[in-house]
Amino acid sequence: GNSVTQMEGPVTLSEEAFLTINCTYTATGYPSLFWYVQYPGEGLQLLLKATKADDKGSNKGFEATYRKETTSFHLEKGSVQVSDSAVYFCALSSAGGTSYGKLTFGQGTILTVHP
Amino acid sequence: NAGVMQNPRHLVRRRGQEARLRCSPMKGHSHVYWYRQLPEEGLKFMVYLQKENIIDESGMPKERFSAEFPKEGPSILRIQQVVRGDSAAYFCASSPGGRDNQPQHFGDGTRLSIL
Repeated sequence: GNSVTQMEGPVTLSEEAFLTINCTYTATGYPSLFWYVQYPGEGLQLLLKATKADDKGSNKGFEATYRKETTSFHLEKGSVQVSDSAVYFCALSSAGGTSYGKLTFGQGTILTVHP
Repeated sequence: NAGVMQNPRHLVRRRGQEARLRCSPMKGHSHVYWYRQLPEEGLKFMVYLQKENIIDESGMPKERFSAEFPKEGPSILRIQQVVRGDSAAYFCASSPGGRDNQPQHFGDGTRLSIL
């Protein structure tokens, strides 16, 4: 079956530091890949997505590249801000069959950014 | 606000009572997904519905849990005879179609606490 593995947190950084959150996946076929962010007490917000190999998703300074050869979708940001503190989830959605777009999530990575 | 609306935001029940969670999808969306987030875990898929139809309930416990999405009104997730292990955050998401490359839009969730 499908699965997503994220690097364990929590991750603590100083403002303006470089961020990487690793994500690898197992899936049949060619899934679509997503990063969602969850702020305290809120639901998940889509951060970025990529739907085919070598696609790069980007938003608000965050980037992730769909690497089929390494089955990875690592999240990066060059300079984090205190406001980026949140929980980040990597997710996939498999095409076809009976998946109907349902998402498989990683366990989430807590990011804390200090001034 | 045309986003996904969930209510109540917080729900407290005693063991043995019933819990009803409501979800109104985004305007124009006819596909609804329910996910459960247990403490310190990622989100797990429960059920996928279209108007008046349950399409995939493979993630839903076989007993005590049910879901519906009537022709008129919100989608309802119903938990009968709640137990302590049902304490979790329940999130609803909607999309315009059940396709893998369409991002799902999430509500802010219902946090269920069982006394």
